[in-house]
Amino acid sequence: DTAVSQTPKYLVTQMGNDKSIKCEQNLGHDTMYWYKQDSKKFLKIMFSYNNKELIINETVPNRFSPKSPDKAHLNLHINSLELGDSAVYFCASSHQGAITDTQYFGPGTRLTVL
Amino acid sequence: GQNIDQPTEMTATEGAIVQINCTYQTSGFNGLFWYQQHAGEAPTFLSYNVLDGLEEKGRFSSFLSRSKGYSYLLLKELQMKDSASYLCAVKRHSNDYKLSFGAGTTVTVRA
Repeated sequence: DTAVSQTPKYLVTQMGNDKSIKCEQNLGHDTMYWYKQDSKKFLKIMFSYNNKELIINETVPNRFSPKSPDKAHLNLHINSLELGDSAVYFCASSHQGAITDTQYFGPGTRLTVL
Repeated sequence: GQNIDQPTEMTATEGAIVQINCTYQTSGFNGLFWYQQHAGEAPTFLSYNVLDGLEEKGRFSSFLSRSKGYSYLLLKELQMKDSASYLCAVKRHSNDYKLSFGAGTTVTVRA
């Protein structure tokens, strides 16, 4: 069973389009995250939700809008895509309050904006 | 701000030992994580240190010195499958939801 899953795995689209990436975790965790990993492999937090409530909102353009319909899902919608949005987007989840609250990552979505 | 430094690249021979250093300067410290990331795949958890000392897990060990702001990941008996990027990440506070990642160290294992 996949612990943290994302769809789609690859996404190729034109500049200006709107797209969504979906994430689901079956670990029973209460916290979910979106990270962006650029071409230099630097992994940077974008958003975090705890029990469906937005906890972290880093300096991200408001074209990016996360939505958490329930604790097991965190989707990312991106409006008016730009070339610079091309990257790999990782979803992750953890259980806050656990001793290590280790984050477990999904397989990633490689977004290419043409 | 957060400053987490790791070497960019390291190369070692199959069967050898490699030590990946990570130094950090953060406003608060509540644990350090090491993740492994193979090319095109997700980061996977390797180890967690919050107290000073060495944590051993099979061929991999991780060390922490909080007073020096320093950690290392030690990979022993290197195998070709250990070729990957290794990410150091710091959690600043116990109720902090955020991990601050270093840029990662790409380890190449040669036959």
